[in-house]
Amino acid sequence: EDQVTQSPEALRLQEGESSSLNCSYTVSGLRGLFWYRQDPGKGPEFLFTLYSAGEEKEKERLKATLTKKESFLHITAPKPEDSATYLCAVQAVGGAQKLVFGQGTRLTINP
Amino acid sequence: EAQVTQNPRYLITVTGKKLTVTCSQNMNHEYMSWYRQDPGLGLRQIYYSMNVEVTDKGDVPEGYKVSRKEKRNFPLILESPSPNQTSLYFCASSLAPNYGYTFGSGTRLTVV
Repeated sequence: EDQVTQSPEALRLQEGESSSLNCSYTVSGLRGLFWYRQDPGKGPEFLFTLYSAGEEKEKERLKATLTKKESFLHITAPKPEDSATYLCAVQAVGGAQKLVFGQGTRLTINP
Repeated sequence: EAQVTQNPRYLITVTGKKLTVTCSQNMNHEYMSWYRQDPGLGLRQIYYSMNVEVTDKGDVPEGYKVSRKEKRNFPLILESPSPNQTSLYFCASSLAPNYGYTFGSGTRLTVV
């Protein structure tokens, strides 16, 4: 069974304090790993798709990396507007449109 | 503006009264999906569709129905809602199988 575990559950940082969020996954064959951002009361917003180990993608202060067992979302010099819940999801080869989500990491950036 | 539109945003209903949550996308996406989000359980897929008239079950399909008669619309039907279907529901669409989904703003359903 495909599984996704995110850690930590919650993370509180000071503005400018860099850190990383972890997404560990178990999947029969990885078609894609997705990162989303979700603000309270809103739908998830797509950030990145990673397809193979060693791949990296960047967007502003965010950088996502992928290994065969886990993905990291690195946040460099975060600002208060980066506060949100970050969700990781995997899609398996042959899994059609099935996405399995982790529980998310709730990130708070204090000014 | 490219978007996924769900209606209603909020709904309170009684057990057993049939309801439909509508979902429409204006991006000509072939792939659409419904999720429910519950505290401690995260986002779980209910149903998905790969094209018109092609739908399949996700992880938690019991108590739900869907239809895809047009490319842009993917309604979620609860024939006989029960309190355990109280949840936050999201519709989403995607251009291709391994592209990121665009999510709607959500429908908060309460069944009493």
